[in-house]
Amino acid sequence: NAGVTQTPKFRVLKTGQSMTLLCAQDMNHEYMYWYRQDPGMGLRLIHYSVGEGTTAKGEVPDGYNVSRLKKQNFLLGLESAAPSQTSVYFCASSQRHGTVGELFFGEGSRLTVL
Amino acid sequence: GDSVTQMEGPVTLSEEAFLTINCTYTATGYPSLFWYVQYPGEGLQLLLKATKADDKGSNKGFEATYRKETTSFHLEKGSVQVSDSAVYFCALWAGSYQLTFGKGTKLSVIP
Repeated sequence: NAGVTQTPKFRVLKTGQSMTLLCAQDMNHEYMYWYRQDPGMGLRLIHYSVGEGTTAKGEVPDGYNVSRLKKQNFLLGLESAAPSQTSVYFCASSQRHGTVGELFFGEGSRLTVL
Repeated sequence: GDSVTQMEGPVTLSEEAFLTINCTYTATGYPSLFWYVQYPGEGLQLLLKATKADDKGSNKGFEATYRKETTSFHLEKGSVQVSDSAVYFCALWAGSYQLTFGKGTKLSVIP
């Protein structure tokens, strides 16, 4: 059982380049989330989805877009990367009822923007 | 809005020492409370949880009691091991679609 898988694990971009992070979960979870983790800031929610075809903004959505075309996948896009987006990105998922707080996380994707 | 405040680290302990990591929260209603742990190079994983006042969550020797009167959920372990070295996050869920996390406390246990 793979759980939550993120690709790629590492990426270096130049300012202005675009890229997409892919998150895939095999637990049939309804909810999916993208967080970023920065030193001293903890985890901050970027975007989330409560079901296939739906997305919503979190705490720090600017500069990012997301899509949830299939229930098992949640994509995070950077259209024009900036150095401030250098971070570690985590995807997470959870079931729908009663256990929303129990998130399952991927191993993270480390992005560096030069 | 909802918020979680946990003690700043880093915390360095010798093996077999007693551990306490403080966590207090602000929330409307009756939130569920969680501790997550992040081992080096990995994602977060759920350590324990409590869903109502006076509940005690426990796992792997760690415990935390949901104290509504003091709005706290302190994490404790009686005897830490080197393998407990990690970052610990307190979090709450107050009924929306998302968790609110604290900033994390890094624990280092030395032999």
